[in-house]
Amino acid sequence: DAGVIQSPRHEVTEMGQEVTLRCKPISGHDYLFWYRQTMMRGLELLIYFNNNVPIDDSGMPEDRFSAKMPNASFSTLKIQPSEPRDSAVYFCASRTETRLAGGRHTQYFGPGTRLTVL
Amino acid sequence: AQSVAQPEDQVNVAEGNPLTVKCTYSVSGNPYLFWYVQYPNRGLQFLLKYITGDNLVKGSYGFEAEFNKSQTSFHLKKPSALVSDSALYFCAVRDLGGYQKVTFGIGTKLQVIP
Repeated sequence: DAGVIQSPRHEVTEMGQEVTLRCKPISGHDYLFWYRQTMMRGLELLIYFNNNVPIDDSGMPEDRFSAKMPNASFSTLKIQPSEPRDSAVYFCASRTETRLAGGRHTQYFGPGTRLTVL
Repeated sequence: AQSVAQPEDQVNVAEGNPLTVKCTYSVSGNPYLFWYVQYPNRGLQFLLKYITGDNLVKGSYGFEAEFNKSQTSFHLKKPSALVSDSALYFCAVRDLGGYQKVTFGIGTKLQVIP
């Protein structure tokens, strides 16, 4: 398996623009997590899904942030409109709780998207 | 609520010496515990985990960690540090009782000096 795939790897945009980050979890994983990493706040959980359903979005900072998971192999995190304080590295991670699965309980991270909002 | 503390922002160790990166946790039930490593401009990479069983857990790249329930600690160790071990290390905890979120520590920067 290729692991968790994120795109783009780098995104530079101007304040007010819409930004869409994409994630493809590991095949067969039933949990998907979106994190944000900054120097000031460390690693923050934004939202997570189970079987494509959002379970907890309490970490989403504002209404400008939204996330979707239309199917088991794809998720998006959208920021509209973007602001300079949104600049961070955004990670996607996936996990399985399936009893027979290897690596059960372990979250596997993608390489991240480095977002810069000017 | 569950939490993780990594008391040291940075740990410096000479190459070839043993290293320890400290982690303590707090959960209401039994914990799942994890260590991850992050190299510059990369994602977090899984090192090892404790779910149940033997308190000493061995992981990737010669790292190990010991679960100590009485001290609520899960310190990461390696007998002989390499310069290539220099990175940011994250401890994480999840409550076995069903809470699905994993809480990460703030991270400890390990610097191995040649």
